[in-house]
Amino acid sequence: GAVVSQHPSRVICKSGTSVKIECRSLDFQATTMFWYRQFPKKSLMLMATSNEGSKATYEQGVEKDKFLINHASLTLSTLTVTSAHPEDSSFYICSAGNTGRSYEQYFGPGTRLTVT
Amino acid sequence: AQTVTQSQPEMSVQEAETVTLSCTYDTSESDYYLFWYKQPPSRQMILVIRQEAYKQQNATENRFSVNFQKAAKSFSLKISDSQLGDAAMYFCAYRNGSSNTGKLIFGQGTTLQVKP
Repeated sequence: GAVVSQHPSRVICKSGTSVKIECRSLDFQATTMFWYRQFPKKSLMLMATSNEGSKATYEQGVEKDKFLINHASLTLSTLTVTSAHPEDSSFYICSAGNTGRSYEQYFGPGTRLTVT
Repeated sequence: AQTVTQSQPEMSVQEAETVTLSCTYDTSESDYYLFWYKQPPSRQMILVIRQEAYKQQNATENRFSVNFQKAAKSFSLKISDSQLGDAAMYFCAYRNGSSNTGKLIFGQGTTLQVKP
C-alpha cells in the first residue's frame, strides 16, 4: 500500500519561533496533499488543500500567513507554523492523494507540536 | 454543504461480540464515496472500508461490513467478532465523487472500547 511519512513526529518549540513539518509520499506521486489539525478526542479539521506547483487552498478561518504550505514536488509538502504560540499546540496530520476516480487518501502518522 | 454526523461519542462491546457504529450524512450529490477510518492510540489513520454511492451492494472487509441506506443517507459500520485490537476512534467520512480535490468531510468520531 501507499506510504506517507511525516517529520518530525514530535516537536517542541518556543513561542514566537517557526517550525516546519514535512509530509512525504514514499512510493507514489501525490498530486494533492491535505493538512489537518486534530485536538484530543476530536475529529480531524481540514486546514488546507495543496496541489503540486500551485498555491494552497485554505479552509475558512485558517490563517494562510500563519500556516504556510508549500507543495513543491509530487512527493513533498511542507507546513510551516510561523510565529508559533501555545494555542497552536496540536496534532497535525497530512494525507496524500492522486488524481483519479478512486482518489484514495493516504495518511501520515502525524506530528505533535508543543509550543512553550 | 455536505455534513457527516456520528451521534455516538462512545461505544463499548464485549470481545467476540458484534457492535454497530452509526453515521448519517447530508448531501444533494448523487455521486460520492463514503469511508470508515480507524484511529488507534498511535493516531495513525487507517482506512477500514469504502463504499461507492452508485453501488447497491454493501461493502465488506473481513469482519467489517457496512449497511448503506442511500435514501436514508445512513452508513453504519458493523464489526463482528470484536477483538481487543479494534479499540480505537472510528471516523465516518464523505467525499464528493465529482470533486477534483478529493476533500474528505469527517464526522465527529466514535470511541470504541472493547472489553475482554
